[in-house]
Amino acid sequence: DTGVSQDPRHKITKRGQNVTFRCDPISEHNRLYWYRQTLGQGPEFLTYFQNEAQLEKSRLLSDRFSAERPKGSFSTLEIQRTEQGDSAMYLCASSSPGTSGGYQETQYFGPGTRLLVL
Amino acid sequence: AQKVTQAQTEISVVEKEDVTLDCVYETRDTTYYLFWYKQPPSGELVFLIRRNSFDEQNEISGRYSWNFQKSTSSFNFTITASQVVDSAVYFCALSGGYGGATNKLIFGTGTLLAVQP
Repeated sequence: DTGVSQDPRHKITKRGQNVTFRCDPISEHNRLYWYRQTLGQGPEFLTYFQNEAQLEKSRLLSDRFSAERPKGSFSTLEIQRTEQGDSAMYLCASSSPGTSGGYQETQYFGPGTRLLVL
Repeated sequence: AQKVTQAQTEISVVEKEDVTLDCVYETRDTTYYLFWYKQPPSGELVFLIRRNSFDEQNEISGRYSWNFQKSTSSFNFTITASQVVDSAVYFCALSGGYGGATNKLIFGTGTLLAVQP
């Protein structure tokens, strides 16, 4: 069973350009999360999908950010008109609700996409 | 509001020393989950443990042990006989809700552990 994968691993772009990142979750995981991590900080939640439905978005996710999960499998995160403040590590995680009574969930993370906006 | 505090920014120990990483959390949820993740220099967050709020039993896994105390809202992590490979940033995280909630993780700011040979 392969883990969560993300592509690209690194991206350098110029201010004002658009970038798109891809996340492939663990197969059969129906939940997918995007987080952003800046230097010296813990990851911060951006958005969450259950299957193809985007169920929650953080206020950190400005209108320049858009995320999709069209078929409930992989997801993309697009940043339009990038700004230097967007430079960060973008992490994707996936999970599946527990089935053994109660509600349990462990999120498994991918290696991240490190974005540098010049 | 939910919050996780990791007061120790950096810890440096010599190999074979024991080290404890502190985590204090705040939540109004009666049901919640606590996690520890390890982030080595490669950047990938590696899951270590999940503990739910019903279960205050301490847990041991090899050289790792966790002490969960609801009375003090703490979930501390101890590494016994530390090794150089333990060098990483360690994050404590909290999620709340029971069924149907997002279960997004709220992370602390992390503790950088440096184990010197």
